[in-house]
Amino acid sequence: DIQMTQSPSSLSASVGDRVTITCRASQSISSDLNWYQQRPGKAPKLLIYAALALQTGVPSRFSGSGSGTDFTLTISSLQPEDLATYYCQQSNSAPYTFGQGTKLEIK
Amino acid sequence: QVQLQESGPGLVKPSGTLSLTCAVFGGSINSSHWWSWVRQSPEKGLEWIGEIYHSGSTTYNPSLKSRVIMSVDSSKNQLSLKLRSVTAADTAVYYCARAAVGATDFDYWGQGTQVTVSS
Repeated sequence: DIQMTQSPSSLSASVGDRVTITCRASQSISSDLNWYQQRPGKAPKLLIYAALALQTGVPSRFSGSGSGTDFTLTISSLQPEDLATYYCQQSNSAPYTFGQGTKLEIK
Repeated sequence: QVQLQESGPGLVKPSGTLSLTCAVFGGSINSSHWWSWVRQSPEKGLEWIGEIYHSGSTTYNPSLKSRVIMSVDSSKNQLSLKLRSVTAADTAVYYCARAAVGATDFDYWGQGTQVTVSS
């Protein structure tokens, strides 16, 4: 199985800050990397697919980059509603695997 | 707007069989999408269980393959999950999710249903 490792596991930032979350795959997955946001008590929500494509309806402050084994999710200007846990997921080969999550707190 | 809704018993006895259904609203299960089950527990995080196409083709996670059966009922526009020989380690929130056409990013999710394995 392809292992996905996120860093950091948690972070605290202020409204308006630029936030970056990193995801590393245990082997190359090309651009087959997706990012999800999970608010407390809710199902995950797709934010970014194919490493850098913004899902319809997702605010443009979210962006993704990377290819191969190293990927990044960036929130350009943090908003209060961005309080959530963020997960990466590889869709290169089954079994499709997720990172352990990054819990984002608002200062 | 596609909506997915999971249902099933919230409590299953050890060694029993977990059975869940996922009803699809606002779209056809016979469309060009694969349908997945994903579970989430504090211990294992998000874990992909497997996927099914309306033709009945399946792909299962090897870690669960010996215990899982997925099926589709086109007449009811729903999919089903059966997981046999459950233990406490199978306690989790179970989600059904739709994969985008030609991809395996999950663009629609159900709200999830909590299943606890306990006597």
